[in-house]
Amino acid sequence: SQQGEEDPQALSIQEGENATMNCSYKTSINNLQWYRQNSGRGLVHLILIRSNEREKHSGRLRVTLDTSKKSSSLLITASRAADTASYFCATEGQGAQKLVFGQGTRLTINP
Amino acid sequence: IAGITQAPTSQILAAGRRMTLRCTQDMRHNAMYWYRQDLGLGLRLIHYSNTAGTTGKGEVPDGYSVSRANTDDFPLTLASAVPSQTSVYFCASSRQGWDEQFFGPGTRLTVL
Repeated sequence: SQQGEEDPQALSIQEGENATMNCSYKTSINNLQWYRQNSGRGLVHLILIRSNEREKHSGRLRVTLDTSKKSSSLLITASRAADTASYFCATEGQGAQKLVFGQGTRLTINP
Repeated sequence: IAGITQAPTSQILAAGRRMTLRCTQDMRHNAMYWYRQDLGLGLRLIHYSNTAGTTGKGEVPDGYSVSRANTDDFPLTLASAVPSQTSVYFCASSRQGWDEQFFGPGTRLTVL
């Protein structure tokens, strides 16, 4: 069963706009990670946020974590055509000893 | 080698045949993983290894086996392939535990 669920399933925006993707999960976690996957390629790690953190930044990426709501969001600012990809959240549940991936959000940046 | 590699890139296999997917990393990571990715089902963990000499079952282990004889290699074997094992298979590694994972380029397997 999936632990993390991304929302929306697909998102299409204009270049330069901001893109926000959300992830909800069901059980307590140690950390939550976001990955990007370009078509036909392996996943690439973006950010890891631990359960005692609320916000992390990396370049144009901003991730928030609300453990009370069991949710996280990934914000990509000033989007570029190269940001077109699928984005996955993955959670490490407490005591679960495994990383569980959501089904992903497919992001399309239109030039 | 730089990072994590997988072989073959793609394979078409007759049902009932035995197949081994290879995975090698040169980052001296302790942990390695095998996932399958299917449309609509996301990424699912097949088997994992937290350190050389140990392995564990993931979410969908049936029909697959793994071994971890050394730090670098983590082969995945399908003893007798079935059409439902048609998928894209990704190998990944991490320095330890369930931290940031590095993924290989994937193997696209079709079982007819």
